[in-house]
Amino acid sequence: AQSVTQPDIHITVSEGASLELRCNYSYGATPYLFWYVQSPGQGLQLLLKYFSGDTLVQGIKGFEAEFKRSQSSFNLRKPSVHWSDAAEYFCAVGSYNQGGKLIFGQGTELSVKP
Amino acid sequence: DTEVTQTPKHLVMGMTNKKSLKCEQHMGHRAMYWYKQKAKKPPELMFVYSYEKLSINESVPSRFSPECPNSSLLNLHLHALQPEDSALYLCASSQQVYEKLFFGSGTQLSVL
Repeated sequence: AQSVTQPDIHITVSEGASLELRCNYSYGATPYLFWYVQSPGQGLQLLLKYFSGDTLVQGIKGFEAEFKRSQSSFNLRKPSVHWSDAAEYFCAVGSYNQGGKLIFGQGTELSVKP
Repeated sequence: DTEVTQTPKHLVMGMTNKKSLKCEQHMGHRAMYWYKQKAKKPPELMFVYSYEKLSINESVPSRFSPECPNSSLLNLHLHALQPEDSALYLCASSQQVYEKLFFGSGTQLSVL
């Protein structure tokens, strides 16, 4: 069965510290992957996407993610976190035989300490 | 214009009411989506429209009725909802299916 796992429900980091949010997937077909961010009561904003090619992808707001096929992972990283990064982060995976259906992970809530 | 606009932002309705949620985009996208999101949970896909035709219905109860009048508009008609249907309803669009989604800010629905 297809699944997406974000192992960390809640992470707290200090402002200025580095960040890594984990995402693992289980898919039968070649996947494409996204990271989205959501502030309370708001819609989701795309941070970055991977379809093919270079496995290290750059996104907005200084985020990057690396696709590792051998580990079925697509972890999100940021070298220096800002207080405004506090939000809910969702990893999402789709495949070309799913008609546009995305499967979202359960989300990781990020808190930032001053 | 890179926005997906949803109206209303908030809606309170009784179980016998009929209401509609509206979603609009002017990016020329040909795929539009409805998602339902409960608090502290990920979005769950409800419907996908591709080129104004319903392509995915995730076994959603018939009290939710989607409509795509044209390539820019997507409606969700609500009738005889249950309190457990209270949630944030998100609309999204993409250039085609398999492309990145642009989300609206959602309609927060409360069913009393």
